[in-house]
Amino acid sequence: QVQVVQSGAEGKKPGASVKVSCKPSGYTFNTYGINWVRQAPGQGLEWMGWISTDSADTEYPQKFQGRITLTTDTSASTAYMELRSLRSDDTAVYYCVRESRTSPYYFDYWGQGTLVTVSS
Amino acid sequence: DIQMTQSPSSLSASVGDRVTITCRASQSISNFLNWYQQKPGAAPKLLIYAASSLQSGVPSRFTGSGSGTDFTLSISSLQPEDFATYYCQQSYSARSFGQGTKLEIK
Repeated sequence: QVQVVQSGAEGKKPGASVKVSCKPSGYTFNTYGINWVRQAPGQGLEWMGWISTDSADTEYPQKFQGRITLTTDTSASTAYMELRSLRSDDTAVYYCVRESRTSPYYFDYWGQGTLVTVSS
Repeated sequence: DIQMTQSPSSLSASVGDRVTITCRASQSISNFLNWYQQKPGAAPKLLIYAASSLQSGVPSRFTGSGSGTDFTLSISSLQPEDFATYYCQQSYSARSFGQGTKLEIK
């Protein structure tokens, strides 16, 4: 069965960087894209970007461009999300999500979430 | 960027009621519209994809419809486990979510 396991909670100071890992299992890693979605406390879902696990192509919304980097390590079947220059409003649960292989695209398997707390 | 707007933002209903949540896209997205359910402390769960296709394992009381810019999620005969927050999401261009609709028990 498909599972998506993320790294544990992180506490960071403003201005620091965080790198969250995501290790899916139960399927061939490089056959499905990975998206990252975050959710601030009490707020809605916010899409942060997508990476092709085959070509390493990425797509980021304007809001995060220049501050986020999505990468993969295919030998370890692991995806990573790095967010830099952290601010207090980056405090959120960050989700790694598998996307369907072909159109129409949808998010079918979600990780358990990683809480990132940014505080001085 | 495509903006997704859900209405209402919150909704009170009783077990057994039928409810409808709407989602409007800022431009046409064909049928590239998905619906998710999220319960407190849990990751979202896919309910409907491609506007009207029911994800495997999701009860048939959930139905989706629409195309272009206007979409609806309907739940017939609400069950206690259906009280949650619902999000629409477009996958036509990049990805974006609606702001969510919280369904509460009346």
